[in-house]
Parts: sequence; structure tokens; C-alpha cells
Amino acid sequence: DAKTTQPTSMDCAEGRAANLPCNHSTISGNEYVYWYRQIHSQGPQYIIHGLKNNETNEMASLIITEDRKSSTLILPHATLRDTAVYYCIASAKTSYDKVIFGPGTSLSVIP
Amino acid sequence: DTGVSQNPRHKITKRGQNVTFRCDPISEHNRLYWYRQTLGQGPEFLTYFQNEAQLEKSRLLSDRFSAERPKGSFSTLEIQRTEQGDSAMYLCASSGQGAGELFFGEGSRLTVL
Repeated sequence: DAKTTQPTSMDCAEGRAANLPCNHSTISGNEYVYWYRQIHSQGPQYIIHGLKNNETNEMASLIITEDRKSSTLILPHATLRDTAVYYCIASAKTSYDKVIFGPGTSLSVIP
Repeated sequence: DTGVSQNPRHKITKRGQNVTFRCDPISEHNRLYWYRQTLGQGPEFLTYFQNEAQLEKSRLLSDRFSAERPKGSFSTLEIQRTEQGDSAMYLCASSGQGAGELFFGEGSRLTVL
């Protein structure tokens, strides 16, 4: 798996967009970018993933740079319930690829 | 509930005892993962299965740890002769064939006294 780097922590005002960056400069051509989040005392929750194109679902948007060396997860209107640790992972979909988590970004949404 | 189920949710044991955790994945998922998480850290990969085959084990998985998935459905993680350093949250996740996203259970929290 490619190594990813994320800021340790971020703050965001409630109702504003939260933009969480991730660097994955050594990502391979067959590796996708996945985002998960973990609310305190719960298991991680899948958010979104993408390969090259930007993606959007009901939870978030994922913007991947053209060179695929970095990406940004966007929570368009952050709420207090979005306070969590967010993990960015680069991983292939092959059966023999394990998924490795880093320390993630601790996002605090502030009232 | 058709999500990933883990039991027990909490286990307190004395040092030296054996413990076993069970994970029931989403029924059609053929891949199953075990992770360990300590406070303030991201989940650490332990091992994973493709159906009943254990494909990889982390160096974190000492000889005291063993995982099985005998029929390619549920999995068990056993820790023998527990040590205080084994205290952690043990997370199980599953994913489907050709899919990369993992679906996690709520975890089994182990406290070794």
C-alpha cells in the first residue's frame, strides 16, 4: 500500500465546509484513494473512494489531483456529529492487498 | 442487522488467561480482516482472510495469537496467555469480492488486568 500523510488535527466551524487533505505521492496506478472516519468508541466507517475522477456521495466529496499525488475530502456543511478521526488510505482492490491505516486527522467541529 | 457483528463487545480478563473473539461478517463478503487499536492510534493490521484462507499475518501477531475462519464465514481470534500489553480494541472488517471498501464491526474491547 502507498503511504499517505495527513495533518494530525484540524478544526472547522459548524456549518462550514471541512476540507481534509491527504498526500499520497507514491500511489500506484491501480491504487484507489479511500476515506474512512471513526467516531469515538465506534468502528471505522467507510465514507468514499476514487481512482482518478472526483467523486460525490451523500456523505462527502472527494477531489483527486490530476497527478493523483494528493486528494481532499470535503464535508460540505460540517455538523458536530462530524467530529471524528478521518483516515485516508491508498489501496488496490485486489484480493491479496491488505489495508493499512495511518494515524489519520482528528477533526473537531466547533459550534 | 446485516452489518458486521463482533462478540463479546467487552472482555475483562486476568493476565495469563486465554480469550477468544468472534466476528460474523456481512454474509456475502469473502474477505475478512482483523485489526487492533490502542488509544490515540489508528487501527493496526493483524491478519486477513480470503474465504477460509489466511493470506497474510502481521508481525504484530505473535505466537500467542491465532485466527481462524474455518468455513469461510465467521472468524475467531484467540489470544493465549494474555498480557497487559494485549489490552486494546480488536476490530473486525469485511469486504466483498472486487470491492475495496471495508465494513467494520463495533469492536471487542479487551482489558487485561
